Parts: sequence; C-alpha cells; structure tokens
Amino acid sequence: KAGVTQTPRYLIKTRGQQVTLSCSPISGHRSVSWYQQTPGQGLQFLFEYFSETQRNKGNFPGRFSGRQFSNSRSEMNVSTLELGDSALYLCASSLGLAGSGTDTQYFGPGTRLTVL
Amino acid sequence: AQSVSQHNHHVILSEAASLELGCNYSYGGTVNLFWYVQYPGQHLQLLLKYFSGDPLVKGIKGFEAEFIKSKFSFNLRKPSVQWSDTAEYFCAVNADNYGQNFVFGPGTRLSVLP
Repeated sequence: KAGVTQTPRYLIKTRGQQVTLSCSPISGHRSVSWYQQTPGQGLQFLFEYFSETQRNKGNFPGRFSGRQFSNSRSEMNVSTLELGDSALYLCASSLGLAGSGTDTQYFGPGTRLTVL
Repeated sequence: AQSVSQHNHHVILSEAASLELGCNYSYGGTVNLFWYVQYPGQHLQLLLKYFSGDPLVKGIKGFEAEFIKSKFSFNLRKPSVQWSDTAEYFCAVNADNYGQNFVFGPGTRLSVLP
C-alpha cells in the first residue's frame, strides 16, 4: 500500500509570496494533519482535517490555512510568507480522527520550504 | 495545555550499550503515548504506542517503553543499540478526547558509535 505522499518536496519562495503544499493520504485514510518542523521549535501541530472539515487547529496565525477534498487529499496554504516560515512541513494521515486516541498517524516525507 | 519534555538533547553511545530515553508529559487526564523515530534523510516512523493495558509496550526493532502513570513518564528503552539506531527520537502525547491534537517533545538525537 502506498504511503503518504507530499508535493513538492522542495520549494523556494521569497518574502510576501504565498505557497500551496499538497498531501495525499494513504488510501482509505480520512484524516490529514499538518505539522511544521523547525530546529528551534521542533514539531508543532498546525491543523487536522477529517471528512473535508477542519477539526482541530494549532496556535498559528491566520496566514496558515488548509482544506481537504472529497478524496481526502489535502492542501495547505501559507500567505504573505515570512522568513520564519522556512521549515519542513509534514503531513500525516490516519484512518479516523488523529485525536481519537485509538488511531495511528503515518507521516509523509515532508515539503522543505525555504523563504528568502 | 499539554507539554512533553525529553530529558536529553543528544545521547552518544557505543554499539551494544543499553539505551534509555526519558519522556515526561504534563496532562492529568487519560493520554495516549507514542514514540516516533526519524532516521537520517527519512520520514517519521512509529516505533511504538501505548493506549491502554499492559504499561510495558514493545515496538519494532527491539524497542520497548514503559508507561508509569504516577510519574507521567513514558521512557524508551533498548537493551543493546546498533549503529543503525542512529536517529532522532520523538515522544508524543495525545489526550484521549476528540479534538485534542498531538503534542511532540523536542526530540533526542541518538548517535551510536561503531
């Protein structure tokens, strides 16, 4: 069974631009969660989507947004990029709600975003 | 809010040495606990998880972890490490309620010397 895939793998943008990242979950998984990983802050939860609805949101500004499509694929958008947005953005999928506690998240390889 | 701490930032061991990585969390309710590993150049993989039952859980590659509720701890152990265990290890906590997100610890980098 194919794992979680993320595109693109690498991205370079300049301050002020916007970016869209894509995540395709494992087949049959309905939940997609997004995380930001940086050397200073570690892994931080951005948001979770389940059945096309945002179910949970971390402590990030409104410039970070996302959506999920009917096939469970998800996109994350960051507008007005700042230098501090440079990070590895990870996507994770699970069968049910990640927050249900009885499910396991499977992570993708991430998208490395560099903001110049 | 939940928080997760990991005792060591970087651990260096020789092959065949025993490993114990500490993880403590701050949350008074029911929690689910995880250890993830990130090998160099690879994505995060689940090592083991605890939801309920036997507090000693066994994972892949010979790893095990013990949940001690009274100490709010979930330490990871391996009796004899190999060079291939060199990686970053993350402890994560998730409260057993819908809408509670995952909180990850800062990670512990393990370097195993051949």
